[in-house]
Amino acid sequence: KAGVTQTPRYLIKTRGQQVTLSCSPISGHRSVSWYQQTPGQGLQFLFEYFSETQRNKGNFPGRFSGRQFSNSRSEMNVSTLELGDSALYLCASSLTGPYNEQFFGPGTRLTVL
Amino acid sequence: DQQVKQNSPSLSVQEGRISILNCDYTNSMFDYFLWYKKYPAEGPTFLISISSIKDKNEDGRFTVFLNKSAKHLSLHIVPSQPGDSAVYFCAASAAIQGAQKLVFGQGTRLTINP
Repeated sequence: KAGVTQTPRYLIKTRGQQVTLSCSPISGHRSVSWYQQTPGQGLQFLFEYFSETQRNKGNFPGRFSGRQFSNSRSEMNVSTLELGDSALYLCASSLTGPYNEQFFGPGTRLTVL
Repeated sequence: DQQVKQNSPSLSVQEGRISILNCDYTNSMFDYFLWYKKYPAEGPTFLISISSIKDKNEDGRFTVFLNKSAKHLSLHIVPSQPGDSAVYFCAASAAIQGAQKLVFGQGTRLTINP
């Protein structure tokens, strides 16, 4: 069974630009969650999508948005990038939701210059 | 407001000895707790979990203990092996105000020395 894949793996952008990250969950998993990992803050929950609907949301500004397609693939968009958005963005999939075991992808390393 | 805290950013343990990783939480509504392990350049992988109705859960070399009165959980690894060197995250979940909440700690870097 293929694992969770994320593209691209690395990305360099400049302030003010926007970026779209992609996540393909494990086949059959309907829940996709996104996290931001920074050295000082650890893993912070961005949002969760289940069957194309955003089901839960963390405490991030509206510049962070996402969507999920009918095949459960998900995209995350960050608009008007700031230096502080530099982080590892992780996506995780699960059958029912992130509150039990979930499977993480390798992450996308975003650097904002 | 850090609701889940791992106060030790790093821990060094000799191979074969016990590794104890600690995690404290502040919200008594958390009712399910998980531990994840993360190697560099990889996503976290699930290790073990525990429901708030239990105080201990064991899986091979890994045991998680939950002390609800102290709002504290710990992960014990016995015996520690070099492959256990990684960053360990604890996480807590709860249904709060109609939404499911999942909060991770900042992580503890465990180094197993030969």
